[in-house]
Amino acid sequence: AQKITQTQPGMFVQEKEAVTLDCTYDTSDPSYGLFWYKQPSSGEMIFLIYQGSYDQQNATEGRYSLNFQKARKSANLVISASQLGDSAMYFCAMREATGFQKLVFGTGTRLLVSP
Amino acid sequence: DAGITQSPRHKVTETGTPVTLRCHQTENHRYMYWYRQDPGHGLRLIHYSYGVKDTDKGEVSDGYSVSRSKTEDFLLTLESATSSQTSVYFCAISESGGLVDTQYFGPGTRLTVL
Repeated sequence: AQKITQTQPGMFVQEKEAVTLDCTYDTSDPSYGLFWYKQPSSGEMIFLIYQGSYDQQNATEGRYSLNFQKARKSANLVISASQLGDSAMYFCAMREATGFQKLVFGTGTRLLVSP
Repeated sequence: DAGITQSPRHKVTETGTPVTLRCHQTENHRYMYWYRQDPGHGLRLIHYSYGVKDTDKGEVSDGYSVSRSKTEDFLLTLESATSSQTSVYFCAISESGGLVDTQYFGPGTRLTVL
């Protein structure tokens, strides 16, 4: 069964520094997609970045990049040059190619950016 | 921003009463989903729809039913609400349902069952 693990309940970073949020996954399906979402205190879920299992390059979207290590089954989110507005919950999620369209989420990491 | 609205945004109800949550989209996307978010669990899929009148169960579907009579509307019904259904409910949509298809979320509905 597919599973997502986020082991860091909380992370702290200073403004302008980079931070890595960890995500490991477990699946027996060779074809899958990995997603990161941000949930600010206002509650909405904001899509950040996607990585496919067959993608050769790590995904990047502005200040967000995904450090995808397939052999280790990890898909860590790297936020460069942190901003105060980055303070939020961050969720890693996965979808397998087989089965129905279930997006399985981790329990999230709360990031706090300090001035 | 994806055109997704949820109503109501907040609701307090009593145990045993029926509750219906509505998700409305303006994107004409085929797939719609209902998730619940609880502390320590992330988001979990309740039901999803892959077209008008086509729905299927997710991992936490007990106690919930859904209906989709129009492309733009996806209703989630709690036939007889229980305190364990106190949660934040999110609707999501996606265009094709494929592996790379991103799900976009509505603003959420906070439901409290007393």
